[in-house]
Amino acid sequence: EVQLVETGGGLIQPGGSLRLSCAASGFTVSGNSMTWVRQAPGKGLEWVSLIYSDGTTYSADSVKGRFTISRDNSNNTLYLQMNSLRAEDTAVYYCARALIYYYDSSAYYDSWGQGTLVTVSS
Amino acid sequence: SSELTQDPAVSVALGQTVRITCQGVSLRTYFASWYQQKPGQAPILVIFAKKNRPSGIPDRFSGSSSGNTASLTITGAQAEDEADYYCHSRDITGNYYVFGTGTKVTVL
Repeated sequence: EVQLVETGGGLIQPGGSLRLSCAASGFTVSGNSMTWVRQAPGKGLEWVSLIYSDGTTYSADSVKGRFTISRDNSNNTLYLQMNSLRAEDTAVYYCARALIYYYDSSAYYDSWGQGTLVTVSS
Repeated sequence: SSELTQDPAVSVALGQTVRITCQGVSLRTYFASWYQQKPGQAPILVIFAKKNRPSGIPDRFSGSSSGNTASLTITGAQAEDEADYYCHSRDITGNYYVFGTGTKVTVL
């Protein structure tokens, strides 16, 4: 059974750093593409970052240069390193497995974690 | 990155049909996927690659696309279908991904 469990959220001051973890089971992170999606309180879903199975990464303009997506194959875990945090980064952060559709190479997300809340506030 | 625009809210009578649309330039090039999210829960995939249903998703959910518009149709809506629905696709550059603005579906 595919399972994703996010940890690492919490209250952090503006300008601070936080690393989110997403422990995967039932499949290998290294053999799949993975993504982070966030949702601010009362708002819609926002795509954050994606790492393809070949290691190529992409991030939304809103987090580029501040957030870094990575993975640890030995621990079967996905990470999101978040630096220079701002109030507008306050959200529930979800990790998800990204499957790639062969026809147009687009990703879709078939399995999601339960999310971890990040609150950026002084 | 480009935007995907959805109607904020729609309502449907129990057992009737509702169509949710998603508009964006990138949809002329890339397929859409659709996600259902209920309050306090993580999203779940209901349609991928325009019209494909994951296992376990009822066949009352269907997807289609024409031009710059992708659609999710619920045929015979049930009370448990009341939720927020989001479309998702690549942006026009192909390097980024974007979610639609979301549609709240109310089943009356």
